[in-house]
Amino acid sequence: DIQMTQSPSSLSASVGDRVTITCRSSQSIDNFLNWYQQKPGKAPNLLIYAATNLQSGVPSRFSGSGSGTDFTLTISSLQPEDFATYYCQQSYSTPLYTFGQGTKLDIK
Amino acid sequence: EVQLVESGGGLIQSGGSLRLSCAASGFTVSSKFMNWIRQAPGKGPEWVSVLYTGGSTYYANSVKGRFTISRDNSKNTLYLQMNSLRAEDTAVYYCATDASHCTRTSCYKWYDLWGQGTLVTVSS
Repeated sequence: DIQMTQSPSSLSASVGDRVTITCRSSQSIDNFLNWYQQKPGKAPNLLIYAATNLQSGVPSRFSGSGSGTDFTLTISSLQPEDFATYYCQQSYSTPLYTFGQGTKLDIK
Repeated sequence: EVQLVESGGGLIQSGGSLRLSCAASGFTVSSKFMNWIRQAPGKGPEWVSVLYTGGSTYYANSVKGRFTISRDNSKNTLYLQMNSLRAEDTAVYYCATDASHCTRTSCYKWYDLWGQGTLVTVSS
């Protein structure tokens, strides 16, 4: 199975900050990498697919980069509604799409 | 409205069985790749099983031989029959559809529509 490792596991930041979350895969996954946001009591919601493509309706302050084994999710200017947990997920190994352990982003 | 609604979760003793349901509206379950994904408390989501439109099924190694995914087209509902339950099966269980974007060289997939989840607690 492909393992996905996120860092950091938790992060405190302020409204307006620029934030970067990192995801590393245990083997190359090309650009088969998705990012989700999850708020308490809710299902995950897709932000970015294929490493860099913004899902329709997602604010442009979210962006993704990377290829191979190393990926990043960047939020350019944090808004109050962005405080949540973020997960990366690989879609290279069908059908076993594995997720990272999550990065919890909270208010400093 | 396009949505998925799970039901059937609850508290069950180790070794017991439970059947989860996922009722779809706004589309037919037979037209989509349908997944069960679970999330243990404080953990990342974990894919459990998929039922393809053609009827093929796949399972995570952790549930193979114990869980069975199926659908009833007349009820437009997806199911997950869970037998020989263990404490480590405790989680919120979501059903979710696949979505994809294809280029000339690759098809990129993600989980698109999710239900609200149903909690399964296995007591040891």
